[in-house]
Amino acid sequence: GQQVMQIPQYQHVQEGEDFTTYCNSSTTLSNIQWYKQRPGGHPVFLIQLVKSGEVKKQKRLTFQFGEAKKNSSLHITATQTTDVGTYFCAGPGLGNQFYFGTGTSLTVIP
Amino acid sequence: DGGITQSPKYLFRKEGQNVTLSCEQNLNHDAMYWYRQDPGQGLRLIYYSQIVNDFQKGDIAEGYSVSREKKESFPLTVTSAQKNPTAFYLCASSIFLGYQETQYFGPGTRLLVL
Repeated sequence: GQQVMQIPQYQHVQEGEDFTTYCNSSTTLSNIQWYKQRPGGHPVFLIQLVKSGEVKKQKRLTFQFGEAKKNSSLHITATQTTDVGTYFCAGPGLGNQFYFGTGTSLTVIP
Repeated sequence: DGGITQSPKYLFRKEGQNVTLSCEQNLNHDAMYWYRQDPGQGLRLIYYSQIVNDFQKGDIAEGYSVSREKKESFPLTVTSAQKNPTAFYLCASSIFLGYQETQYFGPGTRLLVL
């Protein structure tokens, strides 16, 4: 079945350092989405990428969709304590299903 | 104020007991989903429904049941057959607009077994 893997599972960074999480799918995706879940909270949609090689930016966050549409990355420049949380990628499956990645938990040390 | 509500926030289940988690949305979304999240884990799909009176099993449907009698409501029952129900349960809804389909999540219900 379809699998979406993310690495690393955990990341601790000093405030001000950069952070990157990588998402890899076993199948080609028509699009990929990224979500953020704050500790104790629920996932919140961040962005969707559709085109091969697409790059989108949201302030300090840069999202990239691979040329083969099987991988994606999220890069945060100069992390802040407000960036703490778990970041999930998600890709569409059969029907209306979404397959969520395993998530990367980010801890920012002040 | 549009959104998704889940109740209760915390739920305790005794051995052999069925419990029902509520999920309501006023976003007029067609599709609704139930996910299970274990500590340090990702989201695993339990059931989803694309339309009223229709639903499909996700990857971990065993021990769970759902109904979709109204567009706004998608309750999840955790039956006694689910031997390890302790988890964080998230309900979501989505609407498809061209290529853009995003999921909106409720605040979640934490289920604990006594």
